[in-house]
Amino acid sequence: QLQLQESGPGLVKPSETLSLTCTVSGGSTSSSSHYWGLIRQPPGKGLEWIGSVFYSGTTFYAPSLKSRVTMSVDKSKNQFSLKVTSVTAADTAVYYCASSNTLTGGFGYWGQGTLVTVSS
Amino acid sequence: EIVLTQSPGTLSLSPGERATLSCRASQSVSSYLAWYQQKPGQAPRLLIYGASSRATDIPDRFSGSGSGTDFTLTISRLEPEDFAVYYCQQYVTSPGLTFGGGTKVEIK
Repeated sequence: QLQLQESGPGLVKPSETLSLTCTVSGGSTSSSSHYWGLIRQPPGKGLEWIGSVFYSGTTFYAPSLKSRVTMSVDKSKNQFSLKVTSVTAADTAVYYCASSNTLTGGFGYWGQGTLVTVSS
Repeated sequence: EIVLTQSPGTLSLSPGERATLSCRASQSVSSYLAWYQQKPGQAPRLLIYGASSRATDIPDRFSGSGSGTDFTLTISRLEPEDFAVYYCQQYVTSPGLTFGGGTKVEIK
């Protein structure tokens, strides 16, 4: 059973960089059968896809965030990660790691989510 | 960017009733559409992928239909645990994935 766990600071100052790591267990980030995603949810609002990364390192980002977002995969640690630069209060959200089967689609596995607050 | 519009925003129903949720895409997504259920304080749970295929362990009272731009999630008979927020999501890789705004199914 694939499991994902988010880790990172819960508080980030405005204009700084938000960094988040997702650790995968029960599966491998080297596998071509899955791709990895980051989704966020501001308090009381809906879901927003941030980006996805494949085992090969190929990335896709939401157009609205593309200029500030970088995702990467570390196969040796079985992790993938997110960096968001120049954060503002609008980046305050619960951030979820998720996994999608490349054949079927849809994010079938999710982490529990981690709240990141942007505040001075 | 492909915009997904979900309707209604809120659906007030009683247990045992049928729920019909709609998701409309601004351009064709073929059958690359998924549905999720989210309860307060929890991560979303995948219900349907490929517009109509149930994910693992999802009860058969949940069904999905549609293709192209118009999709429907139907819950045939609402159970108490089905009251939640439901999101659709399209996964056409380019120009990227998007979620709908959600439909809240609440107890009447």
